Amino acid sequence: NAGVTQTPKFQVLKTGQSMTLQCAQDMNHNSMYWYRQDPGMGLRLIYYSASEGTTDKGEVPNGYNVSRLNKREFSLRLESAAPSQTSVYFCASSATGGSTEAFFGQGTRLTVV
Amino acid sequence: AQTVTQSQPEMSVQEAETVTLSCTYDTSENNYYLFWYKQPPSRQMILVIRQEAYKQQNATENRFSVNFQKAAKSFSLKISDSQLGDTAMYFCAFMKWVDDKIIFGKGTRLHILP
Repeated sequence: NAGVTQTPKFQVLKTGQSMTLQCAQDMNHNSMYWYRQDPGMGLRLIYYSASEGTTDKGEVPNGYNVSRLNKREFSLRLESAAPSQTSVYFCASSATGGSTEAFFGQGTRLTVV
Repeated sequence: AQTVTQSQPEMSVQEAETVTLSCTYDTSENNYYLFWYKQPPSRQMILVIRQEAYKQQNATENRFSVNFQKAAKSFSLKISDSQLGDTAMYFCAFMKWVDDKIIFGKGTRLHILP
C-alpha cells in the first residue's frame, strides 16, 4: 500500500547542477501535483497535471519543468539549480473532482549550495 | 486567481481547551472544495476535514469541525478537547471543481501545551 512515493528524500546540489525528482502513485489518480514548502510561505504549487499527457503551470513554475510520463508518474526537473530553489518538495495526487483527498508523498529536502 | 489567507501564523493553547483556526479565501467560483490539512513534525500531510461548497451543513470529524460561511468566504477549523498530538502546522486549502488545482494558505503553527 505505497500511495505516493517520492525519490530521493534528501539531496544536496551545487549551483548550476541539474536533477530530476521522481514521483509515482499507485492509486490510479488522474491529477498529480508538485509543491514546494518554504518557511512562512506554506505550500506553493509549481506544476500540476490534470490527466496523463497534460501539464499546467502553478504559482511558481519558473526554473522548473515537469513530465507526466504516464498515469502513475510525474517528474519535476531542475535544469540549472539555484540557491533560491532550496526547499522541501512535495508530490501529491488526487482523484478527479476533489471527491477524495489529495495524497502526499513524504517530501524531498533539497539544498542548493 | 484564487487565494487562501490564514491570518494566524502561530497559536498556543492549553491541552483540553478549544481552539479555532481562521481561513478566508477569495474566488469567483461557485463550486469548489475546501480542506484543512495537518502537518506534524514528521512532515507528512494528513487530511483533517473536507467541505463541499454546495453543502450548507458544516463538516464534522470527531473533535474537528468547521464553520463554513460561503457568503463571507470564510472557513474556520475548530478543534475541541485539544490533545498534545494536535501540535502541528495546519493548512487551509481550496480546490476548484473545474480543474482540480489545489491552492494552500501559508499555514498556522499550533502548539498544544501540557
